[in-house]
Amino acid sequence: GAVVSQHPSRVICKSGTSVKIECRSLDFQATTMFWYRQFPKQSLMLMATSNEGSKATYEQGVEKDKFLINHASLTLSTLTVTSAHPEDSSFYICSARSGTSGGPTSYEQYFGPGTRLTVT
Amino acid sequence: AQSVAQPEDQVNVAEGNPLTVKCTYSVSGNPYLFWYVQYPNRGLQFLLKYITGDNLVKGSYGFEAEFNKSQTSFHLKKPSALVSDSALYFCAVRVQYNFNKFYFGSGTKLNVKP
Repeated sequence: GAVVSQHPSRVICKSGTSVKIECRSLDFQATTMFWYRQFPKQSLMLMATSNEGSKATYEQGVEKDKFLINHASLTLSTLTVTSAHPEDSSFYICSARSGTSGGPTSYEQYFGPGTRLTVT
Repeated sequence: AQSVAQPEDQVNVAEGNPLTVKCTYSVSGNPYLFWYVQYPNRGLQFLLKYITGDNLVKGSYGFEAEFNKSQTSFHLKKPSALVSDSALYFCAVRVQYNFNKFYFGSGTKLNVKP
């Protein structure tokens, strides 16, 4: 149980184009999804938190107009990198949370396998 | 500010030997501590967590971790390393007032040699 998928696993795009990455919770309803970015040999940095049906909350320093996040259903969130540039090349990981209340153990996050974005 | 430190970029150990991957944290309030493992080009896989209770936590694949409040540490251990344990390990902490947000350490690359 608690499987999160991401599509595509790898994508190469040209500079100036937009790329959409999907994150799906396969066997549970994810009220909240999270998008992380991981640079080579570095840790994960939280980019934004999205709640189903509402606007995403972006971390400081993350451009909301560049990284568009949509959480239209309880099983799907999308991250669109608009007007991509080579510096946007990175590994993007999503996670999904199933709980809504009840203390820390109900706030488990399950991570997707990641998407490798390369902008040429 | 909340933070997690993994002081070793890399840990080398021979197969069959015990391994330790270190983690210290700094948070306001009670910490909720986690270890995740990441294989190349893959997402994070949950290993274990400490929320409350016994300081020694047992997790997946024979790993365990010990919560030490006085030293603000949560070191990951395994009595006998396997070559297949070679991967990138992340320590993470969540805090009481914001269960949504993980603070990750910088990661430690574990190399287990045959």
